[in-house]
Amino acid sequence: NAGVMQNPRHLVRRRGQEARLRCSPMKGHSHVYWYRQLPEEGLKFMVYLQKENIIDESGMPKERFSAEFPKEGPSILRIQQVVRGDSAAYFCASSSETGSSGNTIYFGEGSWLTVV
Amino acid sequence: AQSVTQLGSHVSVSEGALVLLRCNYSSSVPPYLFWYVQYPNQGLQLLLKYTSAATLVKGINGFEAEFKKSETSFHLTKPSAHMSDAAEYFCALLSGGYNKLIFGAGTRLAVHP
Repeated sequence: NAGVMQNPRHLVRRRGQEARLRCSPMKGHSHVYWYRQLPEEGLKFMVYLQKENIIDESGMPKERFSAEFPKEGPSILRIQQVVRGDSAAYFCASSSETGSSGNTIYFGEGSWLTVV
Repeated sequence: AQSVTQLGSHVSVSEGALVLLRCNYSSSVPPYLFWYVQYPNQGLQLLLKYTSAATLVKGINGFEAEFKKSETSFHLTKPSAHMSDAAEYFCALLSGGYNKLIFGAGTRLAVHP
C-alpha cells in the first residue's frame, strides 16, 4: 500500500514563475492537508481539502496560493509569481476520516521549493 | 487558543543515555496528541499518538510518551539512545474540529558516541 506520494521532490523556480506541487493521498484516503515548513521552523497548516471541496483554508496566504483536490487525480498546491520567501518544504498529508478519534494523519516525503 | 510548546530546540545525549524531549500543550478541549520524527530531507513519520485511552503510550523504535493532564504535558522518552535516533522530533496537537495539526517548533536530537 503506497503512502502519500508527492512530486516533484525538489523544484527550483525563478522569481515570478509558477510552482505546482502534486500530492496523491494514500489509497482509500479522501482527506488531504497541506503544510509548509520554513527553514528552522515547525510545520504550519495551510489548507484542508476533501474531494472537490476546500474545507479549511485558514492557513493559506491570501494571494498567489491556491489548492484543489479534483474528483479525479492528485491534489495540487499552486503558487503563482513565486518570491524568495516561498522557499520552503511543502508537505502533503492524508487521512481516511477527519481527525476525530485521533485517526492518523500520514505525511508524504515533501516537496522542497527553492526560489532563485 | 490551542498551542504546542517544545522546550529545548536542541538536545544532545550520549549513546545509551536516556532521551527526554519535552512537550507542553494548551487546549480547552481534551486533546489528541502526537509525536512525529523527521530525518533530514524526509517527511514526517508517526512515532506515537495519544487519543484519550491509556495515558502511557508506547510507540515505535522504543519511544514512549506519558500524557499528564495536570501538567498539560506529553513528554517523549526513550530509555537508551541509539545513534540512529538523531533526527528532529515534533509534538503536535489535533485542532480545528479535528481537521488540522498544530505543531511545536521541533527539537533536534543529537546522539554522540
